[in-house]
Amino acid sequence: GAGVSQTPSNKVTEKGKYVELRCDPISGHTALYWYRQSLGQGPEFLIYFQGTGAADDSGLPNDRFFAVRPEGSVSTLKIQRTERGDSAVYLCASSLIPQTGELFFGEGSRLTVL
Amino acid sequence: GQQVMQIPQYQHVQEGEDFTTYCNSSTTLSNIQWYKQRPGGHPVFLIQLVKSGEVKKQKRLTFQFGEAKKNSSLHITATQTTDVGTYFCAGPSRGSQGNLIFGKGTKLSVKP
Repeated sequence: GAGVSQTPSNKVTEKGKYVELRCDPISGHTALYWYRQSLGQGPEFLIYFQGTGAADDSGLPNDRFFAVRPEGSVSTLKIQRTERGDSAVYLCASSLIPQTGELFFGEGSRLTVL
Repeated sequence: GQQVMQIPQYQHVQEGEDFTTYCNSSTTLSNIQWYKQRPGGHPVFLIQLVKSGEVKKQKRLTFQFGEAKKNSSLHITATQTTDVGTYFCAGPSRGSQGNLIFGKGTKLSVKP
């Protein structure tokens, strides 16, 4: 498809488990972003990639969260030892022009930690 | 830390009434973006404002960027049921242009 694709759309897991969320950006977009959105809140920045490298990971809440983009296209957000507070919608976005210009968001991955 | 605040949090209007949401940043912004998120959907880009005092229109939507580049507003004239959703403003972090800081949004409901 032409848009940002995220899988899975829904993930239910148990506290303490490991989770991977995948994002396939729009073809040709060099910048990729991960945001987290809790109910009634705006998207909260997690990490931003320019190409393969993380240009800014200051939003990752702690060392249980890690993201990679090994070939400069698809990205995976990895969450270790999940906690109930990690429950949220994880949004991925990409942009043609790094650092500026509109973000194209995917539909998100809803994570529920029981 | 740097914050982006929006008011009101909720707005209920009768179809045909006007609607305005206000956005205020704790710091001067290089630009401001507006997004709309329909219920159950994802944020969709509406517009970016860059210049001090800039005003842009998209049909019934009017966007303004303040002279000091710390505040912005979105005004919708004669709301329609298709305008329902949450409107977010977002500005880049001072330390990292790739880090967009979003406000909490204004949730608009429109009664037909």
